[in-house]
Amino acid sequence: DAGITQSPRHKVTETGTPVTLRCHQTENHRYMYWYRQDPGHGLRLIHYSYGVKDTDKGEVSDGYSVSRSKTEDFLLTLESATSSQTSVYFCAISESTARNTIYFGEGSWLTVV
Amino acid sequence: DQQVKQNSPSLSVQEGRISILNCDYTNSMFDYFLWYKKYPAEGPTFLISISSIKDKNEDGRFTVFLNKSAKHLSLHIVPSQPGDSAVYFCAARVNGQNFVFGPGTRLSVLP
Repeated sequence: DAGITQSPRHKVTETGTPVTLRCHQTENHRYMYWYRQDPGHGLRLIHYSYGVKDTDKGEVSDGYSVSRSKTEDFLLTLESATSSQTSVYFCAISESTARNTIYFGEGSWLTVV
Repeated sequence: DQQVKQNSPSLSVQEGRISILNCDYTNSMFDYFLWYKKYPAEGPTFLISISSIKDKNEDGRFTVFLNKSAKHLSLHIVPSQPGDSAVYFCAARVNGQNFVFGPGTRLSVLP
């Protein structure tokens, strides 16, 4: 199993509060991703990073920001959580363009009430 | 508009028979295709992949077929086992390192 740890694994928060999810990897992979999984939509890319301090938006980036100050950590922040952001969030990593596979963490369940 | 489509939300198959999961895509720039398997409360795990320059890749009980002209790929599982019951995601790579996923198909293998 790829060394990916997501925290927290479960969180309930109130509408309007900020929330940060953390992804930590021990594989020294260059690329890191945040996806959300929702019924009928599969996995949708929120943001990704191709190196320290290098990030870019994905398909559903509105309402989310990310930061990567170290190779091993990729943070996803919901600045002001909304009920539509209730979802399961998955972090993923990839070594390089030569390796055509990404590996997922176990997920973070977020409920916004 | 979904670039990767899995039009069957669910599929039931008898144990020992073949499971065929289908996936269609619209973006001709996809250069790699992957299948992932996901159990409840776990992250997706990589199953098998295929380059866009190939038409078949096999790994044990799992075979992926790619028909580029039809923009269609399929995953065959033979023989199907109860432990194969999971949600299967089709994914495609674009722009070097971005991966687009389909909505998933829930496979149930009946004993």
